[in-house]
Amino acid sequence: DADVTQTPRNRITKTGKRIMLECSQTKGHDRMYWYRQDPGLGLRLIYYSFDVKDINKGEISDGYSVSRQAQAKFSLSLESAIPNQTALYFCATSDLRPGGYNEQFFGPGTRLTVL
Amino acid sequence: GENVEQHPSTLSVQEGDSAVIKCTYSDSASNYFPWYKQELGKRPQLIIDIRSNVGEKKDQRIAVTLNKTAKHFSLHITETQPEDSAVYFCAARPYSGNTPLVFGKGTRLSVIA
Repeated sequence: DADVTQTPRNRITKTGKRIMLECSQTKGHDRMYWYRQDPGLGLRLIYYSFDVKDINKGEISDGYSVSRQAQAKFSLSLESAIPNQTALYFCATSDLRPGGYNEQFFGPGTRLTVL
Repeated sequence: GENVEQHPSTLSVQEGDSAVIKCTYSDSASNYFPWYKQELGKRPQLIIDIRSNVGEKKDQRIAVTLNKTAKHFSLHITETQPEDSAVYFCAARPYSGNTPLVFGKGTRLSVIA
């Protein structure tokens, strides 16, 4: 089945380290997103990309960067990780339907701990 | 930009009772309102959605209502079962379609057997 995958699924790192989270999809969708989930704060958008040449900042982009290497791949980087970036990170994809009525499909998540 | 408020943040109901989760949105141009369910340790998944030209939509035990005038929409779950226990997120999308969904902060529903 077509799916959204994330690697790694769990990562523990130290303050100041550079970390890359990777997302791949076989759904053939053009649109990809990175979200962060913290208890009580819901799903907050970090970056999104509507095609390979399109990158947009979301609500909480500070401290993060992204790369859209191909239609199927969207990576999130933390250049210098800090403890308050400890969270569950989700990648998501969607296609484009008329009117914008497009379901988002989420990956399984990456649990990141910054010590 | 769009802002989505979701209430309550936690909800406990007895098995068989109904549960209602409410969301309000700020952008009157928003036209698409999905609901996602996230079971413990799992990814969020779409369970139902509604478009702005519809007032109510049902799918078995779940239903969503939309009041465009008041800018609020609600998720109704009837005859709740233990497997309904999860975190539920509402979301809204501004009209253009070229902006991402804006999510509420989520409601943790516990169904007590």
